[in-house]
Amino acid sequence: GNSVTQMEGPVTLSEEAFLTINCTYTATGYPSLFWYVQYPGEGLQLLLKATKADDKGSNKGFEATYRKETTSFHLEKGSVQVSDSAVYFCAPDGSARQLTFGSGTQLTVLP
Amino acid sequence: KAGVTQTPRYLIKTRGQQVTLSCSPISGHRSVSWYQQTPGQGLQFLFEYFSETQRNKGNFPGRFSGRQFSNSRSEMNVSTLELGDSALYLCASSLGGTANTGELFFGEGSRLTVL
Repeated sequence: GNSVTQMEGPVTLSEEAFLTINCTYTATGYPSLFWYVQYPGEGLQLLLKATKADDKGSNKGFEATYRKETTSFHLEKGSVQVSDSAVYFCAPDGSARQLTFGSGTQLTVLP
Repeated sequence: KAGVTQTPRYLIKTRGQQVTLSCSPISGHRSVSWYQQTPGQGLQFLFEYFSETQRNKGNFPGRFSGRQFSNSRSEMNVSTLELGDSALYLCASSLGGTANTGELFFGEGSRLTVL
């Protein structure tokens, strides 16, 4: 089955700092890759996705590029805001129609 | 379009009891998945239903079961509750079938506390 290694948290940044959350995965074939975000007290919601190698997913200033050679899908944002404080999950799409989530990275952005 | 609705949002049970959680997917979505979220284990896949059939099951004991109705609504049941079953149970829906994009739409979860 698939597995995901995600950067350990928690991560604390000042507003407008640069963010990188690392994610590497092992999977059979070339799965679609997702980043989900969970804001306090809420369920998960899709942040961005990429469906094939070299695709770049982007949303709300966040970006991640599907790197087949390094089996990575690192999340980046050039300038974080307080409202970005949340838990971020990396997840490859399994062939069995289930997502394997990483352990989650707690991000806190200070004003 | 209404999102995924889970009920109840919070509940407290004692060991040995059973619990049933409900999930109403987004209209038109035929696939419903369930996940357990705990601080120690993170997000773990429980099972997935499509058109009233369980297609996939995670590595959980038989105390955990589910079903899906003809209107795509789903329920999951946990019998003989244990302290370790305390968790946030998340339901997610998706289109399913050949139209599936892989994106899951999550509800806010049902937080179960077992005393």
